[in-house]
Amino acid sequence: AQKITQTQPGMFVQEKEAVTLDCTYDTSDPSYGLFWYKQPSSGEMIFLIYQGSYDQQNATEGRYSLNFQKARKSANLVISASQLGDSAMYFCAMRELTGNQFYFGTGTSLTVIP
Amino acid sequence: DAGVIQSPRHEVTEMGQEVTLRCKPISGHNSLFWYRQTMMRGLELLIYFNNNVPIDDSGMPEDRFSAKMPNASFSTLKIQPSEPRDSAVYFCASSYRGPILQETQYFGPGTRLLVL
Repeated sequence: AQKITQTQPGMFVQEKEAVTLDCTYDTSDPSYGLFWYKQPSSGEMIFLIYQGSYDQQNATEGRYSLNFQKARKSANLVISASQLGDSAMYFCAMRELTGNQFYFGTGTSLTVIP
Repeated sequence: DAGVIQSPRHEVTEMGQEVTLRCKPISGHNSLFWYRQTMMRGLELLIYFNNNVPIDDSGMPEDRFSAKMPNASFSTLKIQPSEPRDSAVYFCASSYRGPILQETQYFGPGTRLLVL
């Protein structure tokens, strides 16, 4: 089974609107961390936000927030007030405490429309 | 602070040639990862090291690929002989493995490899 599933290959959003990028995960480890990365067209991978499995509150970092629903095993990224510079690929990833490998999803391509 | 450093940033070579990619992880990090990214296959983990020891190399495509980490500040990924299907962006990433899961992976800028 896939550890990380991102079901949206591509998404479009109007500038200044909010957008949600979906991510579901699969693990039997009670301790794990969830990460989102942004990859603009220039190619670098940029860490955006982290959510721990025991965190009681949803993580937020500026315009990024993580909608963490543990029972559903989902960790959706919400970008508020989209900007043209948000156009990029977005990857969801997970690390389990028992291992050290990071599992990445296939990514979602986000295009912000002016 | 210096991030993960990779060299070269771009490499163009001919089929059959040896290619060596280099990586310097962030100081203090004890885990190092090599990834390959293509349009067709996405981001693939090739191998990762913990405390300079290879832990999982199941993602290495075949015997033509080899990776070493002689010390905590340097790693190489070698392809010999190279083939056109090896053309991809190769990322090196490092992290600190500890009880704190929040220690994330930090990626280098990548090496864009083109094998003609």
